[in-house]
Amino acid sequence: NAGVMQNPRHLVRRRGQEARLRCSPMKGHSHVYWYRQLPEEGLKFMVYLQKENIIDESGMPKERFSAEFPKEGPSILRIQQVVRGDSAAYFCASSPPSGSGTGELFFGEGSRLTVL
Amino acid sequence: DQQVKQNSPSLSVQEGRISILNCDYTNSMFDYFLWYKKYPAEGPTFLISISSIKDKNEDGRFTVFLNKSAKHLSLHIVPSQPGDSAVYFCAASLFLNTNAGKSTFGDGTTLTVKP
Repeated sequence: NAGVMQNPRHLVRRRGQEARLRCSPMKGHSHVYWYRQLPEEGLKFMVYLQKENIIDESGMPKERFSAEFPKEGPSILRIQQVVRGDSAAYFCASSPPSGSGTGELFFGEGSRLTVL
Repeated sequence: DQQVKQNSPSLSVQEGRISILNCDYTNSMFDYFLWYKKYPAEGPTFLISISSIKDKNEDGRFTVFLNKSAKHLSLHIVPSQPGDSAVYFCAASLFLNTNAGKSTFGDGTTLTVKP
């Protein structure tokens, strides 16, 4: 029973390049959330998606960041023209269609982006 | 404007004693409050939660207390064990008529349990 799968676990990019982070939710889960953890900080909400729909993107930076969760395949968080301030751990979480009842989220192990 | 705050960045306790981690929030509309535990290089894992209509929830060594009037919750771990050493995140979820709760996290408290 696989949990939330994220890849790559580690990604190194130079300034100006693109970063693509992938997330496959737990089996049977249709809600996906992306959180970012900057060094020495907590997890900050970025975006909440369901299949083919962005439900809440209030935490997404206005430029360079985008997210999708297509009908088939994993959810993708895309960061264009990365800058050093994008260096962080990006966590994906999922929850079942009916919700967990408590708001409990199931997290992946994270993707650590380093921008040189 | 940080809606969920953990004012203690770190806490150190002796094995066998009680660990008390605190959390304050500002939004009275939150439906559930949760605690997650995180080890280095891993994702957070759910520990325990409490509904906004309750004031206490207990699961083994872990108890969460909620004081709605003070907008404060705490996690008690007793007895503390060295394996409890981790970062603990307080989170609050807001359902807003959806099935899924978007969670707001505090900045975490690093707990160290000394043998």
